[in-house]
Amino acid sequence: DGGITQSPKYLFRKEGQNVTLSCEQNLNHDAMYWYRQDPGQGLRLIYYSQIVNDFQKGDIAEGYSVSREKKESFPLTVTSAQKNPTAFYLCASSTGQGTVAFFGQGTRLTVV
Amino acid sequence: GEDVEQSLFLSVREGDSSVINCTYTDSSSTYLYWYKQEPGAGLQLLTYIFSNMDMKQDQRLTVLLNKKDKHLSLRIADTQTGDSAIYFCAVLSGGSYIPTFGRGTSLIVHP
Repeated sequence: DGGITQSPKYLFRKEGQNVTLSCEQNLNHDAMYWYRQDPGQGLRLIYYSQIVNDFQKGDIAEGYSVSREKKESFPLTVTSAQKNPTAFYLCASSTGQGTVAFFGQGTRLTVV
Repeated sequence: GEDVEQSLFLSVREGDSSVINCTYTDSSSTYLYWYKQEPGAGLQLLTYIFSNMDMKQDQRLTVLLNKKDKHLSLRIADTQTGDSAIYFCAVLSGGSYIPTFGRGTSLIVHP
């Protein structure tokens, strides 16, 4: 089945540690996105990538990093510089301009 | 930039119709979407409408678009408890990669 897979579903880390969230898609989509969701705040864009080896910052990129070495994969690293990393993280992909985005099931990150 | 507004909560009785409203600011928005999010899950695309359409019906779902007022609505007929979720409105301009999302409307369906 085609889709977007995020792993793990739940992730716990100690404060000060970097952590990487995985996002893989087999939809042959060019564009991929990372969003952060906090209660009552909707979705906020962290990073997006229109094509392999290229990505752009979204609205809240500080404290995060990404890579896009393969079309299928767009991992997100939450660094120790991110002041409030506990949140629900959503990955999405689309075929490109003006097309609908499909979402993964999310990763809930808790930093203690 | 684009701004998308939704009311945060809606409570309905099982069997009634639900109407979730959304307003947006960018008149060049070409694609308008409704997503559903159940607790602890990702966003599921429910339906979408193009800006050259006024209405789209898909089983229990009806989407209405008023371009003049930049107003989008989602009507769910015969609302069931399984419809309880957060509903997000999203809009996208034709030349853009980035949809703009509303903050989501929590639909609560009670017996």
